[in-house]
Amino acid sequence: GDSVTQMEGPVTLSEEAFLTINCTYTATGYPSLFWYVQYPGEGLQLLLKATKADDKGSNKGFEATYRKETTSFHLEKGSVQVSDSAVYFCALSDRPGGSYIPTFGRGTSLIVHP
Amino acid sequence: EPEVTQTPSHQVTQMGQEVILRCVPISNHLYFYWYRQILGQKVEFLVSFYNNEISEKSEIFDDQFSVERPDGSNFTLKIRSTKLEDSAMYFCASSESPGGSGYTFGSGTRLTVV
Repeated sequence: GDSVTQMEGPVTLSEEAFLTINCTYTATGYPSLFWYVQYPGEGLQLLLKATKADDKGSNKGFEATYRKETTSFHLEKGSVQVSDSAVYFCALSDRPGGSYIPTFGRGTSLIVHP
Repeated sequence: EPEVTQTPSHQVTQMGQEVILRCVPISNHLYFYWYRQILGQKVEFLVSFYNNEISEKSEIFDDQFSVERPDGSNFTLKIRSTKLEDSAMYFCASSESPGGSGYTFGSGTRLTVV
């Protein structure tokens, strides 16, 4: 079945550091890929998405590129801020032969220090 | 901005008791979902609900679980006889259409079974 694997957290960085959170997936079809973010006390919010190979999703300075050859969708940001501290979830949605229901990873906690 | 509201934010219950977790989805959304996350593990899909019936459910969603939309605004998850392993964060979500990009999540209910 479909699955998403994320790097273990927490990831602890200083402000303005470069961020990478790794995500790899397995899917039966040709999935759409997503990153969700959960700020403290809030629900999961869609951060960015990509629907086909080599697409780059971007939002709020975050980027992720859909790499079909490596089945990856790593999240990056060039310069993190304290306000980026949150839990980040990688997810996929794979309809053909499967379901639209997103499959999530376990989440990666990011802590950014001033 | 419209949001999904979940109550309570934290519930403690004794093993064997029934609990009802409540959610108010966004008013013009048609698809409703429950997910759960056991501490340190993946966000797992439980059930989706559309047109007043369950449209998909996972293996986790056994006879101990039920969902209801009793009054056209609330969407509830009932656990009939709670077990210790039901302790988790439960997330409600809603969407206008199926798929991962249009979901709005609530901030979750933390259920602790003692």
